Amino acid sequence: AQKVTQAQTEISVVEKEDVTLDCVYETRDTTYYLFWYKQPPSGELVFLIRRNSFDEQNEISGRYSWNFQKSTSSFNFTITASQVVDSAVYFCALTRVSGGFQKLVFGTGTRLLVSP
Amino acid sequence: EAGVVQSPRYKIIEKKQPVAFWCNPISGHNTLYWYRQNLGQGPELLIRYENEEAVDDSQLPKDRFSAERLKGVDSTLKIQPAELGDSAVYLCASSLRGLAWETQYFGPGTRLLVL
Repeated sequence: AQKVTQAQTEISVVEKEDVTLDCVYETRDTTYYLFWYKQPPSGELVFLIRRNSFDEQNEISGRYSWNFQKSTSSFNFTITASQVVDSAVYFCALTRVSGGFQKLVFGTGTRLLVSP
Repeated sequence: EAGVVQSPRYKIIEKKQPVAFWCNPISGHNTLYWYRQNLGQGPELLIRYENEEAVDDSQLPKDRFSAERLKGVDSTLKIQPAELGDSAVYLCASSLRGLAWETQYFGPGTRLLVL
């Protein structure tokens, strides 16, 4: 069975602080994909990044960076110099390659509050 | 390019009443998903369509929920009769072909409150 755990329910930081959102996953598959989505107050989930199980390279995109470690089954997300606009709920998700079709399993999300 | 469109954005009904949600996916996307998101939880898949065909509806409570995607474009999700526990956000998403590595694009959701 697939499972995603986001143990941090809510994190509060002050603007310009760095913050890391943790994601731990469970799967028996050797081929899978991991995703991060952002859900602002408007409600829609916004895609941030995708990583496949064979690519453990870390990725940086502006103030965002992701650390994928298969050895610990983690796919953590760091925001550097946080801003008020980063306030949202962030979801980590996992999909198995089952017949080639996607079935996303989401974690419970981490609510990030960035205050000025 | 227009995103995924959902309506209504909010709906308040009394229990035992019927309710319907509508979704129009991104143009050209063959795969459409309906998710339910309970308060404080991540979205959970209810049903997935490949064109007109429902290919994964194992999580859809079939006694009261139904869905259709006529002509393989827009879709309607219906609850009849609604129960208190159905209060949630119903999200629609679409992707090009539903393959594992594709990005799913989400609409803003319909927030349902059953009184």
